[in-house]
Amino acid sequence: GQNIDQPTEMTATEGAIVQINCTYQTSGFNGLFWYQQHAGEAPTFLSYNVLDGLEEKGRFSSFLSRSKGYSYLLLKELQMKDSASYLCAPFDSNYQLIWGAGTKLIIKP
Amino acid sequence: GAVVSQHPSWVICKSGTSVKIECRSLDFQATTMFWYRQFPKQSLMLMATSNEGSKATYEQGVEKDKFLINHASLTLSTLTVTSAHPEDSSFYICSARSGREQETQYFGPGTRLLVL
Repeated sequence: GQNIDQPTEMTATEGAIVQINCTYQTSGFNGLFWYQQHAGEAPTFLSYNVLDGLEEKGRFSSFLSRSKGYSYLLLKELQMKDSASYLCAPFDSNYQLIWGAGTKLIIKP
Repeated sequence: GAVVSQHPSWVICKSGTSVKIECRSLDFQATTMFWYRQFPKQSLMLMATSNEGSKATYEQGVEKDKFLINHASLTLSTLTVTSAHPEDSSFYICSARSGREQETQYFGPGTRLLVL
């Protein structure tokens, strides 16, 4: 079957760094997305990894290891506005996004 | 990034009525559009995938006669919830994928439907 595993909730302090891990099992693999979703809003695109390694984009970085079925999203210099859910979503062999429940990130002052 | 709009953002209707939700890609041509439903504190659930000019592909358990999808042009897809019932109350979100940038899906802002 297809499965996404992320922590349900994480808490971090403003200005700190947090890493959100994601392990996945899919029927085929064609890359992995990270989306941010604020409460009551639609998801917004953060990153896309298709090759192994780290992709850096400002305060956010995303890492992929295809052999381990593992990805993480790294958020630096946390701001209060980063409080949101973070969704890890791999593409399966049919280019369908497989969604998990996401990780709710709470930022404290 | 690409911009996708949805209209309306909020709709309240009586049970038994039909509601149409529009999804538009504003600055790119969307060869494929997706319709999702999300209940509170739950993950996104894909309802259907629509390719321009062809019939939508519905996910298992989604009634195609109840959720009518039309993707008549490369910039517009519509979802019509027919004979809506209170259990259809949810957050409906569309996303679009361009022909050039095959991978990334860009989401619309979503439509909140409340059926009384």
